[in-house]
Amino acid sequence: IAGITQAPTSQILAAGRRMTLRCTQDMRHNAMYWYRQDLGLGLRLIHYSNTAGTTGKGEVPDGYSVSRANTDDFPLTLASAVPSQTSVYFCASSETPGPYGYTFGSGTRLTVV
Amino acid sequence: GENVEQHPSTLSVQEGDSAVIKCTYSDSASNYFPWYKQELGKRPQLIIDIRSNVGEKKDQRIAVTLNKTAKHFSLHITETQPEDSAVYFCAATHGSGNTGKLIFGQGTTLQVKP
Repeated sequence: IAGITQAPTSQILAAGRRMTLRCTQDMRHNAMYWYRQDLGLGLRLIHYSNTAGTTGKGEVPDGYSVSRANTDDFPLTLASAVPSQTSVYFCASSETPGPYGYTFGSGTRLTVV
Repeated sequence: GENVEQHPSTLSVQEGDSAVIKCTYSDSASNYFPWYKQELGKRPQLIIDIRSNVGEKKDQRIAVTLNKTAKHFSLHITETQPEDSAVYFCAATHGSGNTGKLIFGQGTTLQVKP
């Protein structure tokens, strides 16, 4: 079934540790996005990629990095996790760069202690 | 940058009543306004959207209205049912042309009481 897959589903992480959240899509979508969801703050854009080989910063990029080596994968890395990065992280993709037709992954619940 | 404000944060209605959720945005260049529904523990899913050249759009029990002059748009759900209970997010585009990114509101938790 075509779609977008995130891993892990949930993770408890010690502060200061490095963590990579994985996101893979098999729809051959050009654009991919990472959002974090926090109660009362909605979904906030962390980083995005309009096409393989390019990335851009969103609303809240500090403390996060991304790469887009190929069309399918868009990993999000926390180099040194802090408790304020406790959140639910959603990856999304769209066929073309822009606001239309977002497909979201099922999310990763990350707790930094 | 774009700022999207959403109200109310929580809304409780009786089954069969109507529910209205309102959003305002700041970027006058925004031209696309989708609404997403997120059921508990699930991913957000698009339920309806409207583009800036349209004032209203309906799809069965849900409708969205847009006032570009005032920079606000609203989601209307009529004849609410318990399965409408969820978190609803509005969004607006930020950035130029068709490569703009979605900026989301804070979310509204809708509870429909049977």
